[in-house]
Amino acid sequence: QVQLQESGPGLVKPSQTLSLTCTVSGGSISSGGYYWSWIRQHPGKGLEWIGYIYYSGSTYYNPSLKSRVTISVDTSKNQFSLKLSSVTAADTAVYYCARVGGGIDYWGQGTLVTVSS
Amino acid sequence: DIQLTQSPSFLSASVGDRVTITCRASQGISSYLAWYQQKPGKAPKLLIYAASTLQSGVPSRFSGSGSGTEFTLTISSLQPEDFATYYCQQLNSSPFTFGPGTKVDIK
Repeated sequence: QVQLQESGPGLVKPSQTLSLTCTVSGGSISSGGYYWSWIRQHPGKGLEWIGYIYYSGSTYYNPSLKSRVTISVDTSKNQFSLKLSSVTAADTAVYYCARVGGGIDYWGQGTLVTVSS
Repeated sequence: DIQLTQSPSFLSASVGDRVTITCRASQGISSYLAWYQQKPGKAPKLLIYAASTLQSGVPSRFSGSGSGTEFTLTISSLQPEDFATYYCQQLNSSPFTFGPGTKVDIK
């Protein structure tokens, strides 16, 4: 059974960089066939696609966030990470990591990140 | 980006009702559509992928249909545990956008 777990600070100051890591267990990122992804959900709102990384390191970022987003992978640790720079209060959201095949079949539990001074 | 709309945005129904939710795409996406159920405080759960393929472990009262630009999610007989918000998502082209959601509430 594949499991994903987000980790990182729950509070980030405005203008700083939000950093989250997703640890994957029960399956290998290196096995291929899946896009390892970040998705966020603003409080009480819908789902927003942030981007994904393939095990090879190729990435795709949502154009609305592209200038501020970096997603990286560490296959040796079976982890992938999200960095979102120059955050504002509008970046306050629950951040999910997820595995994408034909659909998103595995999700992390989600972590609330609040941007506040 | 491909835009998805869902209708209705809110639905009030009773246990045992047949419920249908529609998702429309701004351009053709073949059958690259998934449906999710989300309950408060929880991550979404995959119900249907490839427009009509039931995810393993999902009850057979859930079904999906459609291709191109119009898709439907049907719950044949609504159960108490089905009251939740439902999202569609297109996986035809990046960014893999989501619909705005349909909240199914108890009548």
